[in-house]
Amino acid sequence: IAGITQAPTSQILAAGRRMTLRCTQDMRHNAMYWYRQDLGLGLRLIHYSNTAGTTGKGEVPDGYSVSRANTDDFPLTLASAVPSQTSVYFCASSRGMNTEAFFGQGTRLTVV
Amino acid sequence: DAKTTQPPSMDCAEGRAANLPCNHSTISGNEYVYWYRQIHSQGPQYIIHGLKNNETNEMASLIITEDRKSSTLILPHATLRDTAVYYCIVRAGGTDSWGKLQFGAGTQVVVTP
Repeated sequence: IAGITQAPTSQILAAGRRMTLRCTQDMRHNAMYWYRQDLGLGLRLIHYSNTAGTTGKGEVPDGYSVSRANTDDFPLTLASAVPSQTSVYFCASSRGMNTEAFFGQGTRLTVV
Repeated sequence: DAKTTQPPSMDCAEGRAANLPCNHSTISGNEYVYWYRQIHSQGPQYIIHGLKNNETNEMASLIITEDRKSSTLILPHATLRDTAVYYCIVRAGGTDSWGKLQFGAGTQVVVTP
């Protein structure tokens, strides 16, 4: 089934540990995005990628890094997790400009 | 991208039309109006988008004012499954701007029996 897949679904992580959230899409979309969602703050953009090989910073990029080695994958890495990174993380993709984005089902991350 | 203003919450009776307003008074000529919704614990779901003209699809209708400073999402026959947070977003188009979705707080819609 075509779509966007995130892994893991949920994770409890010790502070200071490194963690990579995975995101894969099979729709051959050019653009991909990472958001975090926190109660009362809506969805906030962390990083994005317009096309393979390029990335850009969103609204809340500090403490996160991304890479876009190919069209399908857009992993999000927390180099040294902190409790304030406890959140639900959503990956999304879109074919390009002026087209709708499709979202994954999210990764619930708890940093303790 | 322009900012949007939505009411924080609204109720709607099942079977009735739900009209969700959105103000985007600083919208630019090349910015589209998008609507998404998020049902509890799920990822956001695309509903509809438009530039100037009113749009309709199987889920909803989008009415954009002539000056484009506001819009209304219409769910013609609300069901209990339409209970969700609805986000109104403006997003730039153009060949040099892929755009970035910036979500605000949205409107919590509760459909009651």
